[in-house]
Amino acid sequence: EDKVVQSPLSLVVHEGDTVTLNCSYEVTNFRSLLWYKQEKKAPTFLFMLTSSGIEKKSGRLSSILDKKELFSILNITATQTGDSAIYLCAVGDTGTASKLTFGTGTRLQVTL
Amino acid sequence: NAGVTQTPKFQVLKTGQSMTLQCAQDMNHEYMSWYRQDPGMGLRLIHYSVGAGITDQGEVPNGYNVSRSTTEDFPLRLLSAAPSQTSVYFCASSYSGGLNSPLHFGNGTRLTVT
Repeated sequence: EDKVVQSPLSLVVHEGDTVTLNCSYEVTNFRSLLWYKQEKKAPTFLFMLTSSGIEKKSGRLSSILDKKELFSILNITATQTGDSAIYLCAVGDTGTASKLTFGTGTRLQVTL
Repeated sequence: NAGVTQTPKFQVLKTGQSMTLQCAQDMNHEYMSWYRQDPGMGLRLIHYSVGAGITDQGEVPNGYNVSRSTTEDFPLRLLSAAPSQTSVYFCASSYSGGLNSPLHFGNGTRLTVT
């Protein structure tokens, strides 16, 4: 059974801090790893990673995948209160045709 | 461009009642899916469809039915609601499953079963 574990479960930081969110996984045939941000409603897509060592970057957010050690990190630099959200990690397994397995998420709160 | 639209936003049911959660997308996505989100459990796949006329079970399909008569619509039916089905339900779509292209989510339906 595919498994995704995220850590920490929750995190409180001050505005301006840098945070690192972790996602480790166990899948039979890895296809992709995705990061989503969930504020009050729908999760919104951040990154899709398929290759090790290639950093994806969007503004203050970046992410990288390590397929040997089976984990990914999501970095947020110079955090802002608008970054407060639940960050979800999901992995796709080629053997389970179109099914993503999600982790339980990391709840990030950024305070002034 | 509306994206993925779910109705209703909120619903309260009594045990044993049935209802249909509606989902429509206007992006011409072949792949559509239903997830439920519960505290501490993450998002769990209920049912999915890779195209009109094709549906399949996900991780937690019991108590739910789906159909896909058109590309745009993917309703989720609760046959006989139970308190264990109290949850937030998300519909999501993409071009080719969640593996190769990111899922686009609706805003969710919060369902309470008493």
